[in-house]
Amino acid sequence: QKEVEQDPGPLSVPEGAIVSLNCTYSNSAFQYFMWYRQYSRKGPELLMYTYSSGNKEDGRFTAQVDKSSKYISLFIRDSQPSDSATYLCAMKSGNEKLTFGTGTRLTIIP
Amino acid sequence: GAVVSQHPSRVICKSGTSVKIECRSLDFQATTMFWYRQFPKQSLMLMATSNEGSKATYEQGVEKDKFLINHASLTLSTLTVTSAHPEDSSFYICSARGGIRYNEQFFGPGTRLTVL
Repeated sequence: QKEVEQDPGPLSVPEGAIVSLNCTYSNSAFQYFMWYRQYSRKGPELLMYTYSSGNKEDGRFTAQVDKSSKYISLFIRDSQPSDSATYLCAMKSGNEKLTFGTGTRLTIIP
Repeated sequence: GAVVSQHPSRVICKSGTSVKIECRSLDFQATTMFWYRQFPKQSLMLMATSNEGSKATYEQGVEKDKFLINHASLTLSTLTVTSAHPEDSSFYICSARGGIRYNEQFFGPGTRLTVL
């Protein structure tokens, strides 16, 4: 079993829809959770950073962390074609290196 | 803030030559830098972690003599692929963390290496 599980997709949704992306993990020591967006042939861009459990909102993006269920989510509201990318969840404990999910390929259909 | 740059963005070289890739943190001091490799449609594979002024820590299976990493300052790390071969062709991405946003990790735009 991988430490971090993420559905690779691909996921296609119509423009304007709400997108839900999720990851589950097995290591209860993870405390820091991140979501990255990666366009083709580009480096990952940090979208959301959350420490421990709870919600965080930034514009159209909301990140949720449920440590009791070892489950994190990223919601994208009013999705746009420019949101089409691969979304990577990542997490770590303390000073350790990041552990990544495999990434979900998302396509927003105009 | 938290910008990481990489140079070059793309390099094509002949087999047997060495290639150096630079990674710079432009607006923060990067106490730790990471080097990743990514194959098409795959996730990131960590190659090594380097702390400023210290030797890099390589992941299992990564040849330290082939992939030389230098983290000489708080804003610069370099990866040198020595005696490159076609199988080294890949997308190399650095990332950095440090400063007040220490627990966040910021990535460079990546370098595409093609070895002929």
